[in-house]
Amino acid sequence: EMQLVESGGGLVQPGGSLRLSCAAAGLAVSNNYMTWVRQAPGQGLEWVSVIYTGGHTYYADSVKGRFTITRDNYRNTLSLEMNNVRPEDTALYFCARVDYSGSSGAFDLWGQGTLVTVSS
Amino acid sequence: EIVMTQSPATLSVSPGESATLSCRASQGVNTNLAWYLQKPGQAPRLLIYYASTRATGVPARFSGGGSGTDFTLTISGLQSEDVGVYFCQQYNYWPTFTFGPGTKVDIK
Repeated sequence: EMQLVESGGGLVQPGGSLRLSCAAAGLAVSNNYMTWVRQAPGQGLEWVSVIYTGGHTYYADSVKGRFTITRDNYRNTLSLEMNNVRPEDTALYFCARVDYSGSSGAFDLWGQGTLVTVSS
Repeated sequence: EIVMTQSPATLSVSPGESATLSCRASQGVNTNLAWYLQKPGQAPRLLIYYASTRATGVPARFSGGGSGTDFTLTISGLQSEDVGVYFCQQYNYWPTFTFGPGTKVDIK
């Protein structure tokens, strides 16, 4: 069974850093397009970043220059390095798989999310 | 920048009745449109992709339609387990993916 499990969330001060991880089971992150999506408390979904199988990375304007998406093929994990965080980065962060082959872009597998709170 | 809008914001439906949700894109997205259901306290789940194709395991009472800028999701015979927030998402303009604000569906 395929599964994604996020970790690494917590309380961080404005301007600080945090690293989120997403452990994959039943699928190889290296063979899939993987993405991060966030949801502020009581709000909708916001796409954050994507990494292609070839390693190309893309970001939403709201996080560009502050967040970095990476993957560790050996540990089969996806990561999101968050730097210079702001209160508006407070959200539940989900990792997901982009089903490029089957649906050409829908997100067909999601983790349960990890909560990031930015506050002093 | 492409903007997705959804209507209505909230929909109250009696069990067994049908519900129709709308999603509109500010620019054409062909049929590169997905629908997700997020139940309370859970992650979103993919329901529909390519505007009208049901994802694996999704009941036949869910049907999607539309192309270009206007899309609909119909739930034929609402069941209690269908309550939650429904989001549409465009994936036509890689590498940017845009979600709509959601429609909350509850039981009347």
